[in-house]
Amino acid sequence: EAGVTQFPSHSVIEKGQTVTLRCDPISGHDNLYWYRRVMGKEIKFLLHFVKESKQDESGMPNNRFLAERTGGTYSTLKVQPAELEDSGVYFCASSLTGARDEQFFGPGTRLTVL
Amino acid sequence: SQQGEEDPQALSIQEGENATMNCSYKTSINNLQWYRQNSGRGLVHLILIRSNEREKHSGRLRVTLDTSKKSSSLLITASRAADTASYFCAKVYTGRRALTFGSGTRLQVQP
Repeated sequence: EAGVTQFPSHSVIEKGQTVTLRCDPISGHDNLYWYRRVMGKEIKFLLHFVKESKQDESGMPNNRFLAERTGGTYSTLKVQPAELEDSGVYFCASSLTGARDEQFFGPGTRLTVL
Repeated sequence: SQQGEEDPQALSIQEGENATMNCSYKTSINNLQWYRQNSGRGLVHLILIRSNEREKHSGRLRVTLDTSKKSSSLLITASRAADTASYFCAKVYTGRRALTFGSGTRLQVQP
């Protein structure tokens, strides 16, 4: 069974540009999460989807970030326009709904904004 | 902050020794999970302990949870060079599903 995949693995863009990150969760996982780790800081939660619905978006830093999960399968996270402080590693995770809360993480996308 | 603290921030030991990492939190949790991250790679789930559990084992890993002290510890026994990584404690607070990560412990196991 394939794990959580993320694309791209690295992205280097200039300030003001737009970047879209993609996450493909494990097949059958209704829950999808986005996290990020900016330089020198802790891994922080961004938002949580249950199928196609946003269950918790309390961690989204501002309205330059837009996450979607159309059809309840893969998800995209768009940053528009990107700022220098957006640089970091963006992780996606997925989990089953039910008794187990284990989240399976993807390898992350390293975003560098110049 | 609800993120709590992890200690030590860094730990260097010799192969064969045990490594202990600690984690604290501030408010009521549903469960607490430990993850490992090898340099430049994704997070790997190690073990989950629920709020009504006090101790869990998985291979060479032992996790304890003390809800009265709001703390947890991860013990890696008979460490190996391959255990070198960063270890993170992540809390699932009551009423939420998101993970709240600590700052992590960087473990170096010398061969």
